[in-house]
Amino acid sequence: SQTIHQWPATLVQPVGSPLSLECTVEGTSNPNLYWYRQAAGRGLQLLFYSVGIGQISSEVPQNLSASRPQDRQFILSSKKLLLSDSGFYLCAWSVEGSPQPQHFGDGTRLSIL
Amino acid sequence: AQSVTQLDSQVPVFEEAPVELRCNYSSSVSVYLFWYVQYPNQGLQLLLKYLSGSTLVKGINGFEAEFNKSQTSFHLRKPSVHISDTAEYFCAVSDLGGGFKTIFGAGTRLFVKA
Repeated sequence: SQTIHQWPATLVQPVGSPLSLECTVEGTSNPNLYWYRQAAGRGLQLLFYSVGIGQISSEVPQNLSASRPQDRQFILSSKKLLLSDSGFYLCAWSVEGSPQPQHFGDGTRLSIL
Repeated sequence: AQSVTQLDSQVPVFEEAPVELRCNYSSSVSVYLFWYVQYPNQGLQLLLKYLSGSTLVKGINGFEAEFNKSQTSFHLRKPSVHISDTAEYFCAVSDLGGGFKTIFGAGTRLFVKA
């Protein structure tokens, strides 16, 4: 069966520090991969999606970036975090060609101090 | 451009009562529609989806939703709720040509009271 792992579960970082959140999927190949951010009282905002290794599409210009170094690995990064980067970050995947994210990780709660 | 409006931010309801969570969308093209559930400190779980065919869609945990094209709505219903249904529910839409740009509503918090 397919599983998705996202870590860490919680993270507290100072303003200006770097960020690396990792997501891996098991039990499937060539998935579509997504990074979302969820702010309190708001829906999910799509940050990045990827249809294959090295293929990243950015939905919202900001100081975050994403990379897909392997088929089932998706990394969210930042060189210098801002206070506004605080939030709940969710990784998700769907089967190739699927119109929507099907499976979500348990999320990372990021607090910027 | 697409948008999704969940008309209620919070819905309190007593256990075993029926519930309806409302969702309206706007799009200039045909759409796929989804409902997700999120339990505290967890990711989202797909409850049900409408892609085509019958407008009444049944999902997991006894939930169902009805697609109404004329009213551009996709309301979620359950005839009898349990305490364990307490969670946040998200409506989402993606258009047939939009690929991966699924748009989510702001969410409705369902609170089931004993």
